[in-house]
Amino acid sequence: EVQLQQSGAELVRPGTSVKLSCKVSGDTITAYYMHFVKQRPGQGLEWIGRIDPEDDSTKYAEKFKNKATLTADTSSNTAYLKLSSLTSEDTATYFCTTGTVAGNWFAYWGQGTLVTVSS
Amino acid sequence: DIQMTQSPSSMSASLGDTVTITCLASQDIGNYLSWYQQKPGKSPKLMIYGATNLEDGVPSRFSGSRSGSDYSLTINSLGYDDEGIYHCHQYYEYPLTFGSGTKLEIK
Repeated sequence: EVQLQQSGAELVRPGTSVKLSCKVSGDTITAYYMHFVKQRPGQGLEWIGRIDPEDDSTKYAEKFKNKATLTADTSSNTAYLKLSSLTSEDTATYFCTTGTVAGNWFAYWGQGTLVTVSS
Repeated sequence: DIQMTQSPSSMSASLGDTVTITCLASQDIGNYLSWYQQKPGKSPKLMIYGATNLEDGVPSRFSGSRSGSDYSLTINSLGYDDEGIYHCHQYYEYPLTFGSGTKLEIK
């Protein structure tokens, strides 16, 4: 059974950065495109971007191109999302999820990481 | 970017009812459409992919359909466990986009 385990909640100061992790178990991370999705409190889902751990190629939504950086470590089966220059607008739960070459529907999800930006 | 217009934003229905949630795509997305159920404080759960394919383990009371650029999720014989927020999602092209969500309450 494929499982995605995300890192714990973060309380961070405005203007700083934070790096979230998403560890895949039950399969090799290279079998998937790893996507990250943002959900602000009481709001809908917003796609941030995806990384192909096979070749580290990435795609981002335009609004996240200067905000988010996706990386992956195949040796630890882990994907990472780094968020920079944090503001209150970045306060949200961030989910990692999987897509495949067959199609980017999201079969597996992490439990989410709550990031709170506050001074 | 492809816009997904989802309706209604919220709805209330009774046990045993049949409900339909729709998403209208701003351009052709073929069958590259999936549906998710999300409960409070939880991750979304895949229900339908490829517009009409039921994910393994999802009750057959759930079904997806397509008519042109209109996509529908239908839930038959509503139960209390069906309460939650439902999201549509297009994966035809980048950037991937979601509908705004439909909150379903069971009376």
